[in-house]
Amino acid sequence: QKEVEQNSGPLSVPEGAIASLNCTYSDRGSQSFFWYRQYSGKSPELIMFIYSNGDKEDGRFTAQLNKASQYVSLLIRDSQPSDSATYLCAVKGQGAQKLVFGQGTRLTINP
Amino acid sequence: DTAVSQTPKYLVTQMGNDKSIKCEQNLGHDTMYWYKQDSKKFLKIMFSYNNKELIINETVPNRFSPKSPDKAHLNLHINSLELGDSAVYFCASSQARGWNQETQYFGPGTRLLVL
Repeated sequence: QKEVEQNSGPLSVPEGAIASLNCTYSDRGSQSFFWYRQYSGKSPELIMFIYSNGDKEDGRFTAQLNKASQYVSLLIRDSQPSDSATYLCAVKGQGAQKLVFGQGTRLTINP
Repeated sequence: DTAVSQTPKYLVTQMGNDKSIKCEQNLGHDTMYWYKQDSKKFLKIMFSYNNKELIINETVPNRFSPKSPDKAHLNLHINSLELGDSAVYFCASSQARGWNQETQYFGPGTRLLVL
């Protein structure tokens, strides 16, 4: 079982709709959760991090964490074509010093 | 003004050669990392240094040797390059604010192609 799993996609969403990206992780002791966005040919850039159960909102982005079910999700409201990218979920365990990344979900927003 | 920079951006070389990739960060961070991203976009940690001390050393062939001359620089030397080493190598840095929160800033990547 992979430590961090994401649906590789591609996920296709019409412009203006809500894009929902999901991630599950295997280490129940994981404490910190990150969403990175990576445009084709570019480096990953941090969108959000979350470490408490529940929702965390930042503009059009909402991260949701459910530690009991070991999943974290990212919602993108009012999707724009510029949101088309690969989204990487990353998890950090308690006391760990490294991030473990999922394989990423490729998201395409259709105008 | 580049926060994390890497050189070179592209590297095309023959099997068996030795090559180095350099990374520098001007963010004042104390921790630096090397990641490898394969053709399937899977991003995997290789090494991490904190204040010039090696703190993460994943299962990586010993042909790969990192070196941190100071906390702003982390270089990666690769001996006897193999076809499977072809990938994008990202450098990153962070400043731990607490054990639970850590934003890593990535460099632009070095695209290595071994022929």
